[in-house]
Amino acid sequence: DTAVSQTPKYLVTQMGNDKSIKCEQNLGHDTMYWYKQDSKKFLKIMFSYNNKELIINETVPNRFSPKSPDKAHLNLHINSLELGDSAVYFCASSLQRGGYEQYFGPGTRLTVT
Amino acid sequence: GQNIDQPTEMTATEGAIVQINCTYQTSGFNGLFWYQQHAGEAPTFLSYNVLDGLEEKGRFSSFLSRSKGYSYLLLKELQMKDSASYLCAVSGGSTLGRLYFGRGTQLTVWP
Repeated sequence: DTAVSQTPKYLVTQMGNDKSIKCEQNLGHDTMYWYKQDSKKFLKIMFSYNNKELIINETVPNRFSPKSPDKAHLNLHINSLELGDSAVYFCASSLQRGGYEQYFGPGTRLTVT
Repeated sequence: GQNIDQPTEMTATEGAIVQINCTYQTSGFNGLFWYQQHAGEAPTFLSYNVLDGLEEKGRFSSFLSRSKGYSYLLLKELQMKDSASYLCAVSGGSTLGRLYFGRGTQLTVWP
């Protein structure tokens, strides 16, 4: 009965490959997010969807493409992986936009070699 | 732009009290959050302040002064398990729901 789940937990791949990370929440929340946490532990928003509509699209390379098939799922596809993409990617959800607590998934540790 | 500052590291001993400060500059303030993150784990919610004053929740309390752009997280009766990174995050800017995180304060609790 995990609230926010992500797969895979670990992802090791070579430069130039394409990979996807999946996220699902069973909390009935309207809003979902993707964050990137770098080696210095800085947590930065990448994307956010509210009821399947993209509402936050930070300045990230267009190699990163989110997709929300329904409001319980938010996937992240990354094309042409680069060394600098190595990080921990967290999915999160909140009841609605605004002053609501965000629940984070366990994270996906991506290592690009 | 948004700017969130908090100390990089703090240390304390078991049973003590520690205060972690956070200062921020933001437009369109919608509240301030504190999250706890243990090494290798996801951030977990600790507290939320949107009005000035102190919010108490067990051993943890959080304070907000909007006029000063200042918040602190107070941890009492420290335990070893409180060793973690504490993240200050401000909801603000032009997009509702966007959180701006500080770089986190790594707290180490010694026996």
